[in-house]
Amino acid sequence: GAVVSQHPSWVICKSGTSVKIECRSLDFQATTMFWYRQFPKKSLMLMATSNEGSKATYEQGVEKDKFLINHASLTLSTLTVTSAHPEDSSFYICSARSPRRYTEAFFGQGTRLTVV
Amino acid sequence: AQRVTQPEKLLSVFKGAPVELKCNYSYSGSPELFWYVQYSRQRLQLLLRHISRESIKGFTADLNKGETSFHLKKPFAQEEDSAMYYCALSMFSGGYNKLIFGAGTRLAVHP
Repeated sequence: GAVVSQHPSWVICKSGTSVKIECRSLDFQATTMFWYRQFPKKSLMLMATSNEGSKATYEQGVEKDKFLINHASLTLSTLTVTSAHPEDSSFYICSARSPRRYTEAFFGQGTRLTVV
Repeated sequence: AQRVTQPEKLLSVFKGAPVELKCNYSYSGSPELFWYVQYSRQRLQLLLRHISRESIKGFTADLNKGETSFHLKKPFAQEEDSAMYYCALSMFSGGYNKLIFGAGTRLAVHP
């Protein structure tokens, strides 16, 4: 099946710094990727839709200046948490749909961000 | 508004017992529904989708448009079924097909 890989799997950063998370589709080209945030014992909240070659589409309530998304190529999307605060600590997950198996979404393993 | 509701946070059963994980949705368009599963320390993966009407690992789910439900069922639970289960709705919004998730139900199957 299609594989989506995230890097890093976990990261600890100081308040006020920025952190970049990468999401790669390893064996297919993804024109669209999705970024989710998962709070402890809660569901996945869709943050934004990442579009190759254009601006990301953010969900209501998500600060686009806080969570910068770049979809530089058909296999890479990045999420940068800028000026991180402890309340940004969370589990971030990306997903992508393969053109061959459009109805199925494939998920990365997630990135645990801890801001201290 | 579009919404997926999973009313149970935890479902605890004994091995061999029947299981039903509830999912209700709210969507004005034609729904496309999925069940995703997350085993311990693993990533989310697709379990089944309503359009294929398949049975995976003994699980089935039927879309009931009248009741706006997509409950997940298995007649005889196994210990290896213990995991988090998420019901998801694919919806077209803002020019894209997006997946929104319910809150999830943790299934615990005891020996």
